[in-house]
Amino acid sequence: QKEVEQDPGPLSVPEGAIVSLNCTYSNSAFQYFMWYRQYSRKGPELLMYTYSSGNKEDGRFTAQVDKSSKYISLFIRDSQPSDSATYLCAMSPSGAGNKLTFGGGTRVLVKP
Amino acid sequence: GAVVSQHPSRVICKSGTSVKIECRSLDFQATTMFWYRQFPKQSLMLMATSNEGSKATYEQGVEKDKFLINHASLTLSTLTVTSAHPEDSSFYICSASTGGVLAKNIQYFGAGTRLSVL
Repeated sequence: QKEVEQDPGPLSVPEGAIVSLNCTYSNSAFQYFMWYRQYSRKGPELLMYTYSSGNKEDGRFTAQVDKSSKYISLFIRDSQPSDSATYLCAMSPSGAGNKLTFGGGTRVLVKP
Repeated sequence: GAVVSQHPSRVICKSGTSVKIECRSLDFQATTMFWYRQFPKQSLMLMATSNEGSKATYEQGVEKDKFLINHASLTLSTLTVTSAHPEDSSFYICSASTGGVLAKNIQYFGAGTRLSVL
């Protein structure tokens, strides 16, 4: 069993819909949770960074962490075709600048 | 966000040759850099952690003599794939950490290098 599980998708939604992504994990030592967006053949770009349980909102993006369930989510409101990409969750016991464990990524396609 | 430059973006080489990939933090000093490998439609697999002025720490199963890492300065780390073979063909991505207090220590990624070994 992988430490971090993420549905590979693809997840196809119409433009304007809410995109809902999630990851589950098994290592209770994880305290820092990140979401990255990766366009094809490019490096990952940090979208959201949260510590411990709770919610964080930034523009159209909302990240949620439920440590009791070992479950994290990312919601994208008012999705745009430019949001079409692969979304990777990543986790660390010791901070976003240290060794990260990534999920497998979910490919998202937002159709105009 | 901070900028990490990775070069080259694409390289094609013959089997048996060595290839060097550079990773530079352009607007910050990075005491720690990471090297990842990514296969098509798969996630990033950490290969090694590189700290300036010291030997890299390799993940289990990664051949240190095959993948040479040099972190000679606070803004530059290099990955050399020695005696490359077709099975080394992959997408290699570096990242650099900004350091500082925990909440502000963020890892920024380069754009990746696509290596094709013929």
